[in-house]
Amino acid sequence: GAVVSQHPSRVICKSGTSVKIECRSLDFQATTMFWYRQFPKQSLMLMATSNEGSKATYEQGVEKDKFLINHASLTLSTLTVTSAHPEDSSFYICSASRGGQNEKLFFGSGTQLSVL
Amino acid sequence: GENVEQHPSTLSVQEGDSAVIKCTYSDSASNYFPWYKQELGKRPQLIIDIRSNVGEKKDQRIAVTLNKTAKHFSLHITETQPEDSAVYFCAASRGGSNYKLTFGKGTLLTVNP
Repeated sequence: GAVVSQHPSRVICKSGTSVKIECRSLDFQATTMFWYRQFPKQSLMLMATSNEGSKATYEQGVEKDKFLINHASLTLSTLTVTSAHPEDSSFYICSASRGGQNEKLFFGSGTQLSVL
Repeated sequence: GENVEQHPSTLSVQEGDSAVIKCTYSDSASNYFPWYKQELGKRPQLIIDIRSNVGEKKDQRIAVTLNKTAKHFSLHITETQPEDSAVYFCAASRGGSNYKLTFGKGTLLTVNP
């Protein structure tokens, strides 16, 4: 399978600060990456689709100004949670596929965000 | 958009028994159906997937069946082991790397020794 790396694995921050999460495809190029959020004991909810070199596509109800996504290269996408609040505390996880017709999706290790 | 329903939400079986998890989807254009296993605090791991041109796929103790007419697909785990205990998610998409996956709500499988 493909390797997707995500950092940091855990972050604790104060309310009002911004947090950046990195997602890297280590052994393949990913033109498209996906960002999910998962609350405890719940499913993975797609937040946005990140496309290299263009603006991300956000799902309904996800604030694009709060969750900034940058996909500057074929191996790196970042998610920045701006002015984080306690309700943003969640498990954030990225995913990527090899591209083309290969839709197998591989996930990063996830980031547990806790906002105090 | 796509809507994926998954049942049951929890499933408890004895070691050695079989476990079956069922999903339905709404988008008739969906043609790719993966299953993921997620242990607590870990990333989802792809365990098996199936495309709409196939009705069944098997990999050792794991099998997936697809009924495209009825828009439902199922995961079958035989000879369950305690290490099979995890949350299992089904998903559906229209296929291709640019199409998003829509996940079911998950099934917590507990295999009792």
